[in-house]
Amino acid sequence: GESVGLHLPTLSVQEGDNSIINCAYSNSASDYFIWYKQESGKGPQFIIDIRSNMDKRQGQRVTVLLNKTVKHLSLQIAATQPGDSAVYFCAENINNYGQNFVFGPGTRLSVLP
Amino acid sequence: DGGITQSPKYLFRKEGQNVTLSCEQNLNHDAMYWYRQDPGQGLRLIYYSQIVNDFQKGDIAEGYSVSREKKESFPLTVTSAQKNPTAFYLCASSTDSHGYTFGSGTRLTVV
Repeated sequence: GESVGLHLPTLSVQEGDNSIINCAYSNSASDYFIWYKQESGKGPQFIIDIRSNMDKRQGQRVTVLLNKTVKHLSLQIAATQPGDSAVYFCAENINNYGQNFVFGPGTRLSVLP
Repeated sequence: DGGITQSPKYLFRKEGQNVTLSCEQNLNHDAMYWYRQDPGQGLRLIYYSQIVNDFQKGDIAEGYSVSREKKESFPLTVTSAQKNPTAFYLCASSTDSHGYTFGSGTRLTVV
């Protein structure tokens, strides 16, 4: 497989458990955030987004929490499945201009059988 | 189906050689981007283009060049001036109202 994310922090969870992946963002002026999932050898896929006027947003099996006070973003995955194994990273953006996205290095999620 | 296509998936470059990575989208997105991904690091912006016939340097543009002659296409050339080109290259496109749609990437290796 591809060697993307060789030295990333890793989170190992048992299949069926909930996963929480954290991200500290850098700019207090950031107002739009996205979580991406990247499987080995593939491009990142959009999972869920949240704007700064919200502190929580739910999707299918995923929830994003935003704490602007401490500049922290988290992704919660319910009932983690083997197909969830991937690198997850957050992106922050100011004023929703594409060229101003800043990407975190990511966390590798490993789902144990 | 609409999407963004990168080719080739794997590319090998000899020392001193220029190579071009292809990126094509049929999403009718105005903006397109090239990122470089190295192990343990976040995506780093090489070049971006918000409109046809216009493009801007990103954070690590040295040793790279682009063109945007058509809305659908944003090829990236890795020149011999790029001394450490081995990496995973990602192309993306977007509208103003949402995040990126990424391609599947090109793995470039210097041999």
